[in-house]
Amino acid sequence: LAKTTQPISMDSYEGQEVNITCSHNNIATNDYITWYQQFPSQGPRFIIQGYKTKVTNEVASLFIPADRKSSTLSLPRVSLSDTAVYYCLVGLGSGYSTLTFGKGTMLLVSP
Amino acid sequence: NAGVTQTPKFQVLKTGQSMTLQCAQDMNHEYMSWYRQDPGMGLRLIHYSVGAGITDQGEVPNGYNVSRSTTEDFPLRLLSAAPSQTSVYFCASSSLGGGLRDEQFFGPGTRLTVL
Repeated sequence: LAKTTQPISMDSYEGQEVNITCSHNNIATNDYITWYQQFPSQGPRFIIQGYKTKVTNEVASLFIPADRKSSTLSLPRVSLSDTAVYYCLVGLGSGYSTLTFGKGTMLLVSP
Repeated sequence: NAGVTQTPKFQVLKTGQSMTLQCAQDMNHEYMSWYRQDPGMGLRLIHYSVGAGITDQGEVPNGYNVSRSTTEDFPLRLLSAAPSQTSVYFCASSSLGGGLRDEQFFGPGTRLTVL
């Protein structure tokens, strides 16, 4: 079971770039890395997924080093509406029952 | 498409009562799952299903039952509610057998309080 470690909270200001790092030392060979975003009183929402190197979409970028023991979610020029909890998810290597969300990182964006 | 729907949104039970949390999706997804979210604990997987007639346990299955008779529906049953089951419950679905290769779509959640 690939356990993840993220900072409990982060603070930023509008317009800044935010990088949230997730540690997953025992990631399995066939595991993917996925990030979700959750606003209060809502279900999580998929942001981005990757296996290695770099992935970019319209919302964020995901950087994965060669050893895959960590990953970094990068949010460019955050706004107040990016205030949310961000979850790093690693698993699937030995079956669907290994999916765990962990406690996530609470990002607070201030004006 | 309505996506993933859950009913009820709120529920209060007394200890020992039973109830069923409903979850439905209209995206023809094979994979469906139930999570619970407690303060400071993130989301924990309760049960999941990779297709009609196939279910399996997640991280915290005790006290919960599930069945999957159709692709669309995945109800979660509490046979004898306990205060420890007070939580917010989320249902999710995804295509292609589920898992991390496929985006999971979450419902709005059911907030359950057991007195």
